[in-house]
Amino acid sequence: DTGVSQNPRHKITKRGQNVTFRCDPISEHNRLYWYRQTLGQGPEFLTYFQNEAQLEKSRLLSDRFSAERPKGSFSTLEIQRTEQGDSAMYLCASRRGHSPLHFGNGTRLTVT
Amino acid sequence: DQQVKQNSPSLSVQEGRISILNCDYTNSMFDYFLWYKKYPAEGPTFLISISSIKDKNEDGRFTVFLNKSAKHLSLHIVPSQPGDSAVYFCAASPSSGSARQLTFGSGTQLTVLP
Repeated sequence: DTGVSQNPRHKITKRGQNVTFRCDPISEHNRLYWYRQTLGQGPEFLTYFQNEAQLEKSRLLSDRFSAERPKGSFSTLEIQRTEQGDSAMYLCASRRGHSPLHFGNGTRLTVT
Repeated sequence: DQQVKQNSPSLSVQEGRISILNCDYTNSMFDYFLWYKKYPAEGPTFLISISSIKDKNEDGRFTVFLNKSAKHLSLHIVPSQPGDSAVYFCAASPSSGSARQLTFGSGTQLTVLP
C-alpha cells in the first residue's frame, strides 16, 4: 500500500491560466474522490468516480472545472481560466467498497 | 448551511489527560460518522468511525460516542499524548455503504502540552 499520490504538491499560477492536477489512487481502490479545502474549513466534496465513470459532481464544480479518470486508474482535475477564489488545497481520496476514504497529501494551488 | 459543526476551533490539553472533541450535525439522514486526523502538510487520516446503530465505539485510546437524539458526537482521547496534536475533523454520511460524499466539519486544532 503506497498510499494516494498527488502531483504537484504546490502550484502557483497567474489568474486566467489553466492548471491540471494528477491523482494516483491506491491500486485496488475502485472509487476516487476530489475534495477542496480552504483555510479554516473542512474538506468540501467536488466529484466522485467509480472506476472510470464520474457519478456525482458538486455544485461547487463550476464549468471551469473538469475531472477525468481514464481507464479507471489515475485521475486528473483541470481548472481553466483560474481565479483567485480557486486558491485552495485540492485533496484526492480513494477507497475500495465501503472502506473509509484514504486521502493523499493534496495539491496546494495559489492563484496570483 | 453547515450540516456538520465543530464549534471549538482549538483545544489545549495537558499530556496524560483526557481530550474531548465535540461535533454536532443537523441532517437527520446522516447515519455514519467518522473522525479524521490531519497533520500539517499531510492529508486527513482516518481515525475511528461509528454507525448510528451504536452509541459507542472504542479503538485503543480513542472512543467515539454518538447521541442521536441530540445529533451530537464526541471523540475522547485518553490518555492524550503530544503526538496527538493535530487538526481533528468530524465527518458524516447517509450510510457506510453509500457512494455519496462525506460532509466534513471545519475541524478542531488539538494541542497536547508536554
